[in-house]
Amino acid sequence: DAEITQSPRHKITETGRQVTLACHQTWNHNNMFWYRQDLGHGLRLIHYSYGVQDTNKGEVSDGYSVSRSNTEDLPLTLESAASSQTSVYFCASSGVINNEQFFGPGTRLTVL
Amino acid sequence: RKEVEQDPGPFNVPEGATVAFNCTYSNSASQSFFWYRQDCRKEPKLLMSVYSSGNEDGRFTAQLNRASQYISLLIRDSKLSDSATYLCVVAANTGKLIFGQGTTLQVKP
Repeated sequence: DAEITQSPRHKITETGRQVTLACHQTWNHNNMFWYRQDLGHGLRLIHYSYGVQDTNKGEVSDGYSVSRSNTEDLPLTLESAASSQTSVYFCASSGVINNEQFFGPGTRLTVL
Repeated sequence: RKEVEQDPGPFNVPEGATVAFNCTYSNSASQSFFWYRQDCRKEPKLLMSVYSSGNEDGRFTAQLNRASQYISLLIRDSKLSDSATYLCVVAANTGKLIFGQGTTLQVKP
């Protein structure tokens, strides 16, 4: 069965370190998205991609970057982790027929 | 003003009750509409898409009013397992989704 996975599921890191969160989907979807979810803010879009070599900034992109070298993966990198980036991160993907997005299980990141 | 607004609740209802959630959106160019369900500490999952003609899936009925930019979700005969957060979601034709903050439902025995 097609799926979308994220790793690691939990991560604790220190301020200033570079961190990369992985997202892998086997739906063969062109569109992939990264969100963060915090109490009081709901889901906020960080970056998204409509296909290989395409990346776009979302509403909260500062301090984050992504790259899309193949259809299946969209890793999210925190260049220099900050305590404000402590959050739950969800990756999602969607096809081109409708806008339904399928979500990964999430990564809980703590920055100390 | 938020692009998608929902009453955060919580809604506390007894088993068997009927409960309705409402949502308004600000972008009249929105193309697609959804209700997602999110259980505590888990990923959002699609509950149902929302169509202009209204649609029903078992105990769940969704309605869309484009003129008023208003979406609703009705749950009949509530079950304990319906306890979750319900996210109202709208999308433009770009594929990007805008999520409301969610409405929390707690169904009590």
